[in-house]
Amino acid sequence: DVKVTQSSRYLVKRTGEKVFLECVQDMDHENMFWYRQDPGLGLRLIYFSYDVKMKEKGDIPEGYSVSREKKERFSLILESASTNQTSMYLCASSLSNGGETQYFGPGTRLLVL
Amino acid sequence: AQTVTQSQPEMSVQEAETVTLSCTYDTSESNYYLFWYKQPPSRQMILVIRQEAYKQQNATENRFSVNFQKAAKSFSLKISDSQLGDTAMYFCASLHNAGNMLTFGGGTRLMVKP
Repeated sequence: DVKVTQSSRYLVKRTGEKVFLECVQDMDHENMFWYRQDPGLGLRLIYFSYDVKMKEKGDIPEGYSVSREKKERFSLILESASTNQTSMYLCASSLSNGGETQYFGPGTRLLVL
Repeated sequence: AQTVTQSQPEMSVQEAETVTLSCTYDTSESNYYLFWYKQPPSRQMILVIRQEAYKQQNATENRFSVNFQKAAKSFSLKISDSQLGDTAMYFCASLHNAGNMLTFGGGTRLMVKP
């Protein structure tokens, strides 16, 4: 079974803090993704990576950056957290072939005060 | 750009009954994939069913089946013999073959009542 893990289930941070969310997958997937989930909006893609050190912006990249130094690990960085970044953050991974299923982590619920 | 619409924010069904969740999508691609994902209250999103657009036959997975109407761009999910464990958020999503990015609908919260 594919396993995608995220470093924290719940996180509380202060406005202006730098926040790191970590994601690790154990299935040697090329693609990794970061989404945020908000009620009524579904999931929106922040960034994705198709290879080590490669990244592409998703629909809502503003205020976020990412890092992928190793194939199995994909980090989401909030350079200066703001209250409007309070949300659920989901990581996913998939093979690089077209149409492949994405496998999700358990999510990190981030509260920015 | 692709869009996915789920018109039912919330639904409920009695245990053992059948329920259908609606999804419409818009794409200009000829080859694409459609998905239903389930997110139980514990939050782990899991795949329910996957449909390849070039396949006419509707995908099925045990009690879950889809009604894929390509011309109408409709992709509904039918859950038969509903169980309490089916209580969850359900998301419809599309992915076109040229890319890797999923487009999600807003979700439908399904409550199965005993």
